[in-house]
This record gives sequence, structure tokens and C-alpha cells, in this order.
Amino acid sequence: AQSVTQLDSHVSVSEGTPVLLRCNYSSSYSPSLFWYVQHPNKGLQLLLKYTSAATLVKGINGFEAEFKKSETSFHLTKPSAHMSDAAEYFCVVSDENDKIIFGKGTRLHILP
Amino acid sequence: NAGVTQTPKFRILKIGQSMTLQCTQDMNHNYMYWYRQDPGMGLKLIYYSVGAGITDKGEVPNGYNVSRSTTEDFPLRLELAAPSQTSVYFCASSYYRGPPYNEQFFGPGTRLTVL
Repeated sequence: AQSVTQLDSHVSVSEGTPVLLRCNYSSSYSPSLFWYVQHPNKGLQLLLKYTSAATLVKGINGFEAEFKKSETSFHLTKPSAHMSDAAEYFCVVSDENDKIIFGKGTRLHILP
Repeated sequence: NAGVTQTPKFRILKIGQSMTLQCTQDMNHNYMYWYRQDPGMGLKLIYYSVGAGITDKGEVPNGYNVSRSTTEDFPLRLELAAPSQTSVYFCASSYYRGPPYNEQFFGPGTRLTVL
């Protein structure tokens, strides 16, 4: 069965320091993987996606993620956090039956 | 393009009442979805549709109904509202369901409280 695990429910970083949000997936198929961001009281916005092309995927607002098949991971990173990055982030996997599975989310806090 | 729009933004229902959450997209997407979001639980799929006239159950369909008479609209109906249906509801659409164009576009959500 497909699954996605976001390893941290909350992450706090200082403004200007790197961000790492961790995501592991389980899939017997080469999946599509996504990261979405949700700002307070807003809908979800696509940050980036992986669909079996380049393993290093660049997204909006300086975020990127690397698909590592050997580690079944798709961690989200950003070199320097900004206050506007404070939000909830969802890792999402799409399996061979095109079923979409959401992780439970990681809330990113940015400390001034 | 307005993208995906949802109405209302907020609603309070009494137990046993019914209501329809509206969802419209103007991107000519065939695929549309309804999710509910509960704190700390991510998003759960309620129903989805692969085109006008075709709908199917997701992970948590009980207590809900949908219809898809046009490509643009995908209303979600709650019959006999219960406190367990207190949640934030998101509608989404996508061009395809499989890769590579399967990213979903989300509406702003409807916050529903059942008292």
C-alpha cells in the first residue's frame, strides 16, 4: 500500500537559516511526488512536483526537493528562511492507480 | 482565470440540517475532488469525479453526496449534518489524474461548523 510520512509535525528555524522538511514515501511504483504549502486560512498551493524527470526539482519561492529512490525520500529544502515561509507544508504521493495520498503536514515556524 | 472558487467561506449548521457546498473551476479540468481537512490529519478525499456525469467515492464518503452535471461545477451535499462533519472542506481540480499533469489546484476552502 502507498503511504507518505512527514517526519516532523513542527519545525522551527530562525530567519535566514536553512529549512529542511522531511518526507518519506512507500511505493512499489515510480510515484509522482508533490509539495504543497498552506498559509493560514488559505487553500493549498503547489510548491513543486516530481514526475520521473530530474531528481532535483526546483519550485517557487526558492524551495527545492530531491527525489532519492534508494532512501524513498523527497525532502524539501530552502537555503534561507523568510518570515513569509511560515505555513503548513504537505508532502503528497500519487500511486500507480493515480490515488493521491497526503501526509499529515509539517508546520514551519520562523523565528525572528 | 479565477481558478477554483468555493462558496460559502464559512457556515454554521445545526445538527440535522442540510446544505450544499459549491465548487466551480474555469480551467476546463476533467478531474475534480472534494477533501476535508481536520487538524493534524492532513486531507482526506471524500469524493472525486473524472468528468461530467461520473463520480466515485473516496476515503471518507459517508454522510456526503456529490453530482457533476457540468465540467465546471462539482457541488458537495451534506444531508443530516452531524458534529463529526465539522471541518474545513477543500475542492480541487486537475487536468489529468496521472502524471505528468496531475497537480491539483485548490479552492480557498469552506469552514463548516455543526452545532
